[in-house]
Order: sequence, then structure tokens, then C-alpha cells
Amino acid sequence: KAGVTQTPRYLIKTRGQQVTLSCSPISGHRSVSWYQQTPGQGLQFLFEYFSETQRNKGNFPGRFSGRQFSNSRSEMNVSTLELGDSALYLCASRRGLGQETQYFGPGTRLLVL
Amino acid sequence: AQSVSQHNHHVILSEAASLELGCNYSYGGTVNLFWYVQYPGQHLQLLLKYFSGDPLVKGIKGFEAEFIKSKFSFNLRKPSVQWSDTAEYFCAVSYQTGANNLFFGTGTRLTVIP
Repeated sequence: KAGVTQTPRYLIKTRGQQVTLSCSPISGHRSVSWYQQTPGQGLQFLFEYFSETQRNKGNFPGRFSGRQFSNSRSEMNVSTLELGDSALYLCASRRGLGQETQYFGPGTRLLVL
Repeated sequence: AQSVSQHNHHVILSEAASLELGCNYSYGGTVNLFWYVQYPGQHLQLLLKYFSGDPLVKGIKGFEAEFIKSKFSFNLRKPSVQWSDTAEYFCAVSYQTGANNLFFGTGTRLTVIP
């Protein structure tokens, strides 16, 4: 079974721009979560989607948003990029919302100049 | 607020040495506990998990972890490390009440010297 895939793998943007990242979950998984990984803050939860609805949101500004499509694929958008948004953005999928293990993708490394 | 603490930021061991990495979490009710590993250049992989039952959990590659509820701890152990265990190790917790998302520790970088 294919794992979680994320595109693109690397991205360079400048301050003020916006960016959209994509995540395809493992087949049969309906939940997709997004995390930001930085050297200073570690891994921080952004939000989780299940059945096209945002179920949970972390403590990030409104510039960070996401959505999920009917095929469970998810996109994350960051508007008005700041230097501090440079990070590895990880997507994780799980079958449902209960006691399920999350499986992570390889991440998208975003560099904001 | 829920939090996870990993006491060791960087651990350096020689091959065949024993490993124990500490992990403590803040109380927030019934928990699910995980250890993930990130090898250089690779994505996060699940080492082991605890949901309920036997508090001593065995995972892949000879790793094990013990859940001690009274100490809010879930320490990772391996009796004899190998050079290939060089990686970053993350402890994570989800709380069964509420949203059930993962809270991660800051990670422990393990370097194994051949």
C-alpha cells in the first residue's frame, strides 16, 4: 500500500507571497493532519480534516488554512508568507478519528526569503 | 496546556551500549503514547505505540517502551544500539478526550559511534 505523499517536496517563496501544499493520504484513510516542524519549535499541530471538515485546529494564525476534498486529499495554504514560516510541513493520515495511528509523509520543505 | 518533555536533547553512544530516552507528558486524562523516529533524510516513522493493556510495549528494530502511569512517563529503551540507530527520536501523546491530535516532544538526537 502506498504511503502518504506530499507535493511539492521543496519550495522557495518570498515574503508576502502565498503557497499551497498538497497531501494525498494512504488509501482508505479519511483523516489528514498537518504539522509544522522547525528547529526552534519542534513539531506543532496545525489542523486536522476528516470527511472534508476541519475537526481540530492548533494555535496558528489565520494565514494558515486548509481544506480536504471528497477523495480525502488535502491542501494547506499559507498566505502572506513571513520569514518565520520557513519550515518542514508534514502531513499525516489515519483511518478515522479514534485511537488510530497517524502515518506521516516525507514533508514539504518551505524556504521563505 | 498539554505538553511533552524529552529530557535529553542529544545522546551519544558507542555501538552495543544500552539506550534509554526519557519522555514525560502532562496530565490530561487517558492517553495514547507513541515513539516516532526520523532517520537522516527520511520521514517520520512509527517505532511503537501504546493504547491500553500491557504497559511494556515492544516495537520495531528491538525497541521497547514502558508506560508508567504514576510517573506520566513513557521511556524508550534498547539493550544494544547499532550505528544504524542514529536518528532523531520523538515522543508523542494524544489524549483520548478531546480532539485526539498528537502533541510532540522536542526530540532527542541519537548519535551512535561505530
